[in-house]
Amino acid sequence: DQQVKQNSPSLSVQEGRISILNCDYTNSMFDYFLWYKKYPAEGPTFLISISSIKDKNEDGRFTVFLNKSAKHLSLHIVPSQPGDSAVYFCAASPWGGGSEKLVFGKGTKLTVNP
Amino acid sequence: DVKVTQSSRYLVKRTGEKVFLECVQDMDHENMFWYRQDPGLGLRLIYFSYDVKMKEKGDIPEGYSVSREKKERFSLILESASTNQTSMYLCASSPFRQDLYEQYFGPGTRLTVT
Repeated sequence: DQQVKQNSPSLSVQEGRISILNCDYTNSMFDYFLWYKKYPAEGPTFLISISSIKDKNEDGRFTVFLNKSAKHLSLHIVPSQPGDSAVYFCAASPWGGGSEKLVFGKGTKLTVNP
Repeated sequence: DVKVTQSSRYLVKRTGEKVFLECVQDMDHENMFWYRQDPGLGLRLIYFSYDVKMKEKGDIPEGYSVSREKKERFSLILESASTNQTSMYLCASSPFRQDLYEQYFGPGTRLTVT
């Protein structure tokens, strides 16, 4: 049973426009959410995160929104740049950190066209 | 900067061979993880370890084993490689802290089993 779902396998946007990547989760015990970015032939790199006590976290061009009642989060990239073209993974963790595993979605491949 | 290194970027092995994938981290992290990434399936956890000589099965441990003799090193072993183990293998580490969830990934090993 997939606990973290990224229902769009791919997304294509024009340079300068907004990219919105979506993620849904089913486990109400998840308390912390992360986004990772992955280029081909490289390991994922951490992008941005949000705790369940917040509904928004912003870092430069990247903003993550969390809607706990809908069990939904989204990553907004504004403005999108060709270098943002990568696979984006949503991940979730239950409260407590420590050695807790992360549960990853299947990823969304973003293509930003010049 | 946290650095996670993996012994090989690309590896080609024959069916039935025993394969060792090595991972080393330099940040004194307690937790280490092995994932595989396949198209359309995202990141799937194979095994993880939260201490030396400790190991826990992830979601897809069949056909794999692990070894953690030193804190900085976590090895993934394919006892008898099969073609369905052709994949990108990613190692990650994280500190044991209640307030930190981020995992740091290595560059990955692309394993091909022929």
